[in-house]
Amino acid sequence: TQLLEQSPQFLSIQEGENLTVYCNSSSVFSSLQWYRQEPGEGPVLLVTVVTGGEVKKLKRLTFQFGDARKDSSLHITAAQPGDTGLYLCAGANSGTYKYIFGTGTRLKVLA
Amino acid sequence: DVKVTQSSRYLVKRTGEKVFLECVQDMDHENMFWYRQDPGLGLRLIYFSYDVKMKEKGDIPEGYSVSREKKERFSLILESASTNQTSMYLCASSPDTWYGYTFGSGTRLTVV
Repeated sequence: TQLLEQSPQFLSIQEGENLTVYCNSSSVFSSLQWYRQEPGEGPVLLVTVVTGGEVKKLKRLTFQFGDARKDSSLHITAAQPGDTGLYLCAGANSGTYKYIFGTGTRLKVLA
Repeated sequence: DVKVTQSSRYLVKRTGEKVFLECVQDMDHENMFWYRQDPGLGLRLIYFSYDVKMKEKGDIPEGYSVSREKKERFSLILESASTNQTSMYLCASSPDTWYGYTFGSGTRLTVV
């Protein structure tokens, strides 16, 4: 069974701080996505990475896919209260329709 | 703006009732999914469909069924609701495995 472990599970930081969230697996994925979910809402897709070593930037968010395509990281620079939410990674293999979701990292940014 | 719309945000049903959760997408996506989300357990796949009238079981299909008569609509049916089906239900659609999901806002179902 493929699993995606995220760390840390919970993170509470002050506005302006930097943080990194990790998503790790022992399995290889053909693509990996990151989502952010706010309370009472569905997850919203932030980015998809497909190539080992790929780095994508979305304003203050930097996403990296590991060289072996088994892990990924999300780095937020100068966090803001609007970044608060549950961050989920999800991996997929080619030829399947299903994504495997990570355990989630709950981030709270204090003003 | 592309959308996945779930018919109810909050629903309270009694044990033993038959419950229908409706999901509609306007993106002409082939694939649609139903997940449930529970604290400590994350998102778990119930059923998915990769074409009209096609369906496949996910990881936790027991107690659920689905219907996809039209491409844009994917319904989740709880045949006889039980208290352990109290959860947040999320519908999603995707054009293929490379693009990720577009989720609906979710239906928070409480079975009493």
